[in-house]
Amino acid sequence: GEDVEQSLFLSVREGDSSVINCTYTDSSSTYLYWYKQEPGAGLQLLTYIFSNMDMKQDQRLTVLLNKKDKHLSLRIADTQTGDSAIYFCAESIVDFNKFYFGSGTKLNVKP
Amino acid sequence: EAGVVQSPRYKIIEKKQPVAFWCNPISGHNTLYWYLQNLGQGPELLIRYENEEAVDDSQLPKDRFSAERLKGVDSTLKIQPAELGDSAVYLCASSPQGDGELFFGEGSRLTVL
Repeated sequence: GEDVEQSLFLSVREGDSSVINCTYTDSSSTYLYWYKQEPGAGLQLLTYIFSNMDMKQDQRLTVLLNKKDKHLSLRIADTQTGDSAIYFCAESIVDFNKFYFGSGTKLNVKP
Repeated sequence: EAGVVQSPRYKIIEKKQPVAFWCNPISGHNTLYWYLQNLGQGPELLIRYENEEAVDDSQLPKDRFSAERLKGVDSTLKIQPAELGDSAVYLCASSPQGDGELFFGEGSRLTVL
């Protein structure tokens, strides 16, 4: 199947920026997504980017896509303790009812 | 608007026992998914429904897992018999047809002893 890779952990201080990275293998990705999962909860869509875009900004969130390197990143500005969660990168392939998720990056925000 | 509702939230059973999970998707969402999430992993698709039709069940272990979505609304996922390795969170998600955004329920956490 499709391979979506993420680093496992990231620790930052409150007020700093966080950058979570993701690489994927399938060049036919249609959309790329970032989901957030808080303890004991399901996944919640944060933002997504169409594969022909380079960047998308949504308030404190900035998504960068390097399609040549198949690299996706999520930057969270002014990170807050409430941002502590697991962040999943996901891609949808051609038929965008199929989604492939990474293993998640656990973000720890220290006060 | 109510989100995706799953029950039970937690289930503890002994191995070889059966278990069933229920999911009620968001009203009007034609596409329903069951995902398996192991500890420290991302969700992996078990089965996808378009209305009442299972359009992708290639990853469902059919010797012990079954699912149904009889009227194209709520769905049930069953495991019989359960094995120790089935301990995981079972997530249900839905999406409006052709939309591309998944809405997840809170999941059903299964522990098999």
